[in-house]
Amino acid sequence: GAVVSQHPSRVICKSGTSVKIECRSLDFQATTMFWYRQFPKQSLMLMATSNEGSKATYEQGVEKDKFLINHASLTLSTLTVTSAHPEDSSFYICSARDPGREVGEQYFGPGTRLTVT
Amino acid sequence: GQNIDQPTEMTATEGAIVQINCTYQTSGFNGLFWYQQHAGEAPTFLSYNVLDGLEEKGRFSSFLSRSKGYSYLLLKELQMKDSASYLCAVSDSNYQLIWGAGTKLIIKP
Repeated sequence: GAVVSQHPSRVICKSGTSVKIECRSLDFQATTMFWYRQFPKQSLMLMATSNEGSKATYEQGVEKDKFLINHASLTLSTLTVTSAHPEDSSFYICSARDPGREVGEQYFGPGTRLTVT
Repeated sequence: GQNIDQPTEMTATEGAIVQINCTYQTSGFNGLFWYQQHAGEAPTFLSYNVLDGLEEKGRFSSFLSRSKGYSYLLLKELQMKDSASYLCAVSDSNYQLIWGAGTKLIIKP
């Protein structure tokens, strides 16, 4: 099946620093990738939709200058949390859509647990 | 607006059967997905329905009625490892997934 990897799985950073999270589709080319954030005991919240070779589309309320998304190739999208603050601590999950499979189905990476101290 | 409703929490007994309901109101419909999410992990795909009826896959089955905007996930022969959150998601007219808040399923021995 389609596999999506994420790196790192856990990261702890100091307030004010930046953190980059990578999302890779390992056995398919993902024209579209999604970035989600999930706070404890809450459901997934879509942050942005990333299309290869174009600018990401951000959901309402998500600061595009704070959460930088780059989808430079068909297998890699990155999310950079700039000037991180403790309230950015969350579980960040990426997913990718495989054009060759069920329309709308998304394959999820294992997630990245970000803790900002 | 777009809305997905599912119960917040359900409890069932090991070996029993449980049905998790999901109702939806979305702008367009291109299929309904069920995902399973264990605590601290990413969601994993369980099922996809785009036509009315029942899709069976081992111990899990999923049902869809488009006219009623309704789906359910049926889990049989419950095992302790089935304790997880179950997320209902609808693909709308733009093929974006609209997510429910998830149903936390607690399995008791």
